[in-house]
Amino acid sequence: GDSVTQMEGPVTLSEEAFLTINCTYTATGYPSLFWYVQYPGEGLQLLLKATKADDKGSNKGFEATYRKETTSFHLEKGSVQVSDSAVYFCALSPYRDDKIIFGKGTRLHILP
Amino acid sequence: EAGVTQFPSHSVIEKGQTVTLRCDPISGHDNLYWYRRVMGKEIKFLLHFVKESKQDESGMPNNRFLAERTGGTYSTLKVQPAELEDSGVYFCASSQGFRADTEAFFGQGTRLTVV
Repeated sequence: GDSVTQMEGPVTLSEEAFLTINCTYTATGYPSLFWYVQYPGEGLQLLLKATKADDKGSNKGFEATYRKETTSFHLEKGSVQVSDSAVYFCALSPYRDDKIIFGKGTRLHILP
Repeated sequence: EAGVTQFPSHSVIEKGQTVTLRCDPISGHDNLYWYRRVMGKEIKFLLHFVKESKQDESGMPNNRFLAERTGGTYSTLKVQPAELEDSGVYFCASSQGFRADTEAFFGQGTRLTVV
C-alpha cells in the first residue's frame, strides 16, 4: 500500500544553519504531497503542499519539490530559526482519495 | 473563526473502562476525519465522515471503536472497553472539500493513556 518514509530524528541544528529533511514515498497514480508541522502544544498545521510532479511548495522560507522520478519530497530551508523547532511530518494523499498517509515525523531542535 | 476543537486534551483511564473523545469541526466543514498516533509510529487514518455519513472507516482498528457524527456537526469517538494498545494521541481534522483542493485543519489532539 501507499506509504511515506522520512528521516529519523531528532535533528539538532544551530540557528541560521541549512535544513534538509528527507522524505520519500510509495504510491500508485498521482498522489498529492504535503509537509505538516506541529509546534509544541499545538495541533498539526499544513506547512506546504504540491499536487503534481515538479511542483514546488513553499511557505515561511521552507520549500519542497515534488520529484516523481525519485519519488521524493524533501523539505529544505536556507536559514533556520529557533522558532522553527517543531515536529515535521511528510504526508501524501492518494489519488482521488481524501485520507492522508503520514510519515513518522522528524523532531527538529534549533539551538540559539 | 474558531478552529477544530477537541475534548478532552488529556485522558487517563484504566484498562477496561470506556472513554469518549469529542471533536468540534470548523463550522460549515462537511468533511471530518479522525486520526491516531501511537507512540513512535505514524499518524494513521481512522475514518472519514461526510456530513453525518461514514465515507470511509477502513482505518478503524476493531469493533471496540465507535464513531458518530450527530446531525453532521460534532463527532464523538468512543473506545469501549479500552485496552493498553489504544494509548496514543487522537487527532481530528475537518475540511470543506477534497484534499488536493482544500486544506484539512487539525485539532490539538486528545492524548489518551490507558493504564
